[in-house]
Amino acid sequence: DTEVTQTPKHLVMGMTNKKSLKCEQHMGHRAMYWYKQKAKKPPELMFVYSYEKLSINESVPSRFSPECPNSSLLNLHLHALQPEDSALYLCASSQDHRRANQPQHFGDGTRLSIL
Amino acid sequence: DQQVKQNSPSLSVQEGRISILNCDYTNSMFDYFLWYKKYPAEGPTFLISISSIKDKNEDGRFTVFLNKSAKHLSLHIVPSQPGDSAVYFCAAIGTGANSKLTFGKGITLSVRP
Repeated sequence: DTEVTQTPKHLVMGMTNKKSLKCEQHMGHRAMYWYKQKAKKPPELMFVYSYEKLSINESVPSRFSPECPNSSLLNLHLHALQPEDSALYLCASSQDHRRANQPQHFGDGTRLSIL
Repeated sequence: DQQVKQNSPSLSVQEGRISILNCDYTNSMFDYFLWYKKYPAEGPTFLISISSIKDKNEDGRFTVFLNKSAKHLSLHIVPSQPGDSAVYFCAAIGTGANSKLTFGKGITLSVRP
């Protein structure tokens, strides 16, 4: 069982819809991450939150809006997505983003399909 | 520019034999190297890591070797089991400007019974 929980597991939405992806961890980690993974490709970093503050935004389009309500929760708000945004969205957490020796632990992802 | 390279897309090994998965990197500022295993419909699972100041780290059936001068690392699985069949990602991370976890493209390991 993964210690990082993502909901929903699957999401199908139209290009005009607004939806949110949710991620939760109870390991006391202070860094949380959003990744996007396309088929047959490695995960690509989107956002990093460190101590509940946005630390890194990898030039992600504004139709993706992250939110970190507290140290255990991470949301990704979606609006006006494009078909090419269909992918597996992975959440991860680690003890501290600044410490390279702390591995990131991943959830099982949300499989997102844009119609 | 790909900083972490896994040049072989797939590997097939007989059960009980050794699996050797290779990875090369270009950025000498990486401090840690990690291996993740991914089953279909699941997220990547952390397997084993090695610090850049070490040349070997062992955990049960899994051993990672680092050759810093060659900028090369490898994951050895002995003995290989059918349950090891998965995609294996090599990843690297440093500090400061290199603090983003950088993944290779992955290699699909198939362990034949």
